[in-house]
Amino acid sequence: DTGVSQDPRHKITKRGQNVTFRCDPISEHNRLYWYRQTLGQGPEFLTYFQNEAQLEKSRLLSDRFSAERPKGSFSTLEIQRTEQGDSAMYLCASSIGLAYNEQFFGPGTRLTVL
Amino acid sequence: LAKTTQPISMDSYEGQEVNITCSHNNIATNDYITWYQQFPSQGPRFIIQGYKTKVTNEVASLFIPADRKSSTLSLPRVSLSDTAVYYCLVGVGSGNTGKLIFGQGTTLQVKP
Repeated sequence: DTGVSQDPRHKITKRGQNVTFRCDPISEHNRLYWYRQTLGQGPEFLTYFQNEAQLEKSRLLSDRFSAERPKGSFSTLEIQRTEQGDSAMYLCASSIGLAYNEQFFGPGTRLTVL
Repeated sequence: LAKTTQPISMDSYEGQEVNITCSHNNIATNDYITWYQQFPSQGPRFIIQGYKTKVTNEVASLFIPADRKSSTLSLPRVSLSDTAVYYCLVGVGSGNTGKLIFGQGTTLQVKP
């Protein structure tokens, strides 16, 4: 097992375009999280899946953002009509078992909106 | 979730022991204390977690006094590769989601 992977690693897009990111968690990890991190700040929680169910969404996740985790495996995060303020590092993490167990983070997808 | 306060930055030299203290006055009875490390352009990485007293693993120790209102991450004999941001998190155990609430963290700069 190679850990959490994310694709793409970098994405440059123009304002108004739609983008989709993919996260492949560690096999058998039932918990999957998305976070967003801007320069100089700690990561901010966006949303949480337990298996295929999306159980929590942050208020940061506007209606332009949607996330899915079909069949409880990989997850996608889509941003519609991107804005310059969406430029950030988007991090995915997975864990297994209890809520306070260690989360394993992927390398992130860096989004730049021009 | 309990609010945490930790120094914004710290400097050290190679080979020294580094102690980073985090205060969390409003910690709840069932809250765990967790520390993550983050290098530039990488996702955070779990370092250590504890509930009370002292926890030690291969990379760090975590000291938690009896009142649990603070905790100290101890990094023995740091090297240049320990230069990173260190986050103290409290309250991961409360609730069912396990979402992590990060503050600004402590930027540790290790000098040769």
